[in-house]
Amino acid sequence: NAGVTQTPKFQVLKTGQSMTLQCAQDMNHNSMYWYRQDPGMGLRLIYYSASEGTTDKGEVPNGYNVSRLNKREFSLRLESAAPSQTSVYFCASTEGRLQETQYFGPGTRLLVL
Amino acid sequence: RKEVEQDPGPFNVPEGATVAFNCTYSNSASQSFFWYRQDCRKEPKLLMSVYSSGNEDGRFTAQLNRASQYISLLIRDSKLSDSATYLCVVTTSGSARQLTFGSGTQLTVLP
Repeated sequence: NAGVTQTPKFQVLKTGQSMTLQCAQDMNHNSMYWYRQDPGMGLRLIYYSASEGTTDKGEVPNGYNVSRLNKREFSLRLESAAPSQTSVYFCASTEGRLQETQYFGPGTRLLVL
Repeated sequence: RKEVEQDPGPFNVPEGATVAFNCTYSNSASQSFFWYRQDCRKEPKLLMSVYSSGNEDGRFTAQLNRASQYISLLIRDSKLSDSATYLCVVTTSGSARQLTFGSGTQLTVLP
């Protein structure tokens, strides 16, 4: 099992460009999450999907959209990138029960110039 | 006030030392508690869950004090491989298990 995979690993964008970060998991998990990690801020939840067909905003959703394409895949889209979106983005998944581990992908490092 | 607060460190300790990390959380309705470990430029990985009765996994001991809203992690006999950032994590109720992360405590174990 690959676990949680993310593409791309690195990306450089110019302000105003758009891009989609891809995430897939092969653990048959119900819930999937997108976080961003900035120095000194910890991981902050952008959006999550409790189950296939549902998505909800997290702590910092502005400037992002998500799509839960199917049970395996959860994508994050930046429609018009801004320098403030320079960050490391992690996707995670879990079965969704209490006291359960979230499994993280390797991250996407995004630089917006 | 942050929901989950940790001393950012860094903690620099010699091999074999015992080191303790503390964490406080502000939401009294928090339900589950964890320590995650994150190596440099890598993803977070679960180190251990934290139970009310306290729990131990080898050299690692986690404690929870719900009354004081305080979580701790003790590492005994530190190894070089323990060098990492340790993230305190709590969950809140809801339709999905949303994790709230502390900003992490950086540990460097020195030879």
